[in-house]
Amino acid sequence: DAGVTQSPTHLIKTRGQQVTLRCSPKSGHDTVSWYQQALGQGPQFIFQYYEEEERQRGNFPDRFSGHQFPNYSSELNVNALLLGDSALYLCASISGQEAFFGQGTRLTVV
Amino acid sequence: AQSVSQHNHHVILSEAASLELGCNYSYGGTVNLFWYVQYPGQHLQLLLKYFSGDPLVKGIKGFEAEFIKSKFSFNLRKPSVQWSDTAEYFCAVHMDSNYQLIWGAGTKLIIKP
Repeated sequence: DAGVTQSPTHLIKTRGQQVTLRCSPKSGHDTVSWYQQALGQGPQFIFQYYEEEERQRGNFPDRFSGHQFPNYSSELNVNALLLGDSALYLCASISGQEAFFGQGTRLTVV
Repeated sequence: AQSVSQHNHHVILSEAASLELGCNYSYGGTVNLFWYVQYPGQHLQLLLKYFSGDPLVKGIKGFEAEFIKSKFSFNLRKPSVQWSDTAEYFCAVHMDSNYQLIWGAGTKLIIKP
């Protein structure tokens, strides 16, 4: 059990729609990172949240936004979905320099 | 640009064979290095990590890795693989004060029983 929970596990959306993915980090972890993993590739950093603020952002367009709540859980929002947004979205619960991952949300855009 | 490269995308071995998976990164500053494993249907799990000290680090399930700073490499090794080692292996690097992990593309390892 990773201790990091993500929901939903699978999602199918239509181009142009908006989606919200959710993550609960491990107990006691106050930092969350989001990654996108396209098929056959390694994860790509989207952004990191700490103390409810976006602390660092990767090379993703503004269509990707996030939020962190006082209980450290986090959401990833993607607007105006494109076919190319189809991927596995991973949430990482951060402790020091270590990242603990959830099972991910498989997003398919049709 | 900072990057991580894994030399082989697919590796097929027989049980009891020795394993070495290559990982190189492009960055001249301070790094923290990781190998993660993803078994079929499971989440990414940490195999081992290097922050400082002895460049030969041991991880779970008999895996080890050696950091060679002069070669910008962090290769993963296991003397004798088992069928249960079938999985995808990812090398990841944390560079200086950057908060993100930069990942290789992964190596799919298949062990023939």
